[in-house]
Amino acid sequence: NAGVTQTPKFQVLKTGQSMTLQCAQDMNHEYMSWYRQDPGMGLRLIHYSVGAGITDQGEVPNGYNVSRSTTEDFPLRLLSAAPSQTSVYFCASRLDRGYEQYFGPGTRLTVT
Amino acid sequence: QQQVKQSPQSLIVQKGGISIINCAYENTAFDYFPWYQQFPGKGPALLIAIRPDVSEKKEGRFTISFNKSAKQFSLHIMDSQPGDSATYFCAARNTGNQFYFGTGTSLTVIP
Repeated sequence: NAGVTQTPKFQVLKTGQSMTLQCAQDMNHEYMSWYRQDPGMGLRLIHYSVGAGITDQGEVPNGYNVSRSTTEDFPLRLLSAAPSQTSVYFCASRLDRGYEQYFGPGTRLTVT
Repeated sequence: QQQVKQSPQSLIVQKGGISIINCAYENTAFDYFPWYQQFPGKGPALLIAIRPDVSEKKEGRFTISFNKSAKQFSLHIMDSQPGDSATYFCAARNTGNQFYFGTGTSLTVIP
């Protein structure tokens, strides 16, 4: 199993550009989440999904869109990047509510 | 507004010593309290976790102490080793299925 994979590892965007951060898992997990990690802030939940076709907002959803068309994939879209979105983004998945979550290796995004 | 407060921000411990990291929360709806370990350039990985009906859980050199009445929980690393040098995050899960993380503690174990 590859576990949770994320691409790209690094990305630099200019303000106003759009991009999609990819996340995939091969563990047949129902639950998937996106977090951002900022210095002194810990990890904060952006969006999450409890299954294909079902998504919901987390703690800091503004500026981000998600969709979940398959169990395996959970992409995160930045429609118009802002410097405040400079962060490290982690995707996580877990089998079900009562199970532990597994994190991907992260994407470091810089918006200039 | 930080739902889970973590301290200290950084910690330096001699090899063989005890590392202690503390977390506090306010939301009594939290029902699961994990600790994560993160090495530079990697994602967080589960270290140990506890549910609020238990006051202590031990796995090897790692112990969680949980005080439900005080709404506090802590991680103790016994016989700390240089390989334990990492950032540690506490977290709490609410009944709405969301995880809230502490701000992290950077642990350095000096040989």
